Amino acid sequence: EPEVTQTPSHQVTQMGQEVILRCVPISNHLYFYWYRQILGQKVEFLVSFYNNEISEKSEIFDDQFSVERPDGSNFTLKIRSTKLEDSAMYFCASSPRTGLLYGYTFGSGTRLTVV
Amino acid sequence: KNEVEQSPQNLTAQEGEFITINCSYSVGISALHWLQQHPGGGIVSLFMLSSGKKKHGRLIATINIQEKHSSLHITASHPRDSAVYICAVSFGNEKLTFGTGTRLTIIP
Repeated sequence: EPEVTQTPSHQVTQMGQEVILRCVPISNHLYFYWYRQILGQKVEFLVSFYNNEISEKSEIFDDQFSVERPDGSNFTLKIRSTKLEDSAMYFCASSPRTGLLYGYTFGSGTRLTVV
Repeated sequence: KNEVEQSPQNLTAQEGEFITINCSYSVGISALHWLQQHPGGGIVSLFMLSSGKKKHGRLIATINIQEKHSSLHITASHPRDSAVYICAVSFGNEKLTFGTGTRLTIIP
């Protein structure tokens, strides 16, 4: 069964450093998403991406965050200057068309630890 | 405010028991999802519902749109069903709003 692949599975970074989390969505999917889950808390929406642009973003997704689909296969989340509170599990998801009708496939997550 | 609530937060049961996890939401939705999260953290989609009932193996999901309520049932529970089960809804846009999850532990 097709999978959403996320790398790395675990990343440790120093506060203030830039970090890029990578995702390879399912190949024929057109909608892409990032979610995060701080330890012990609910999963929270960050951003949705369609047709090479952000279609929706949350209040969490401020100027420190950006997303990109650089080469038609990867979908990346960049955090420019990490803070301690960015420590979380980050999930990528994709959908063949709008997730409202077709549902979502999630990756296994990247655990980001900011020290 | 668009909210999703789940109950119970924790559930421990003996192998073979029938399990019910509940989800309620505050306003009308486009769709409701039941997801499973294993200890490693990965999320697996179990069901997507907008009405009625769906069944997959020992898992059954139901939704009552009028009452704004959904249930996930597991028949003949097994220790491998131990996981966190999460309800998430679409309130008419692309983002999912998640519940807090129900931690299920099945004892052999």
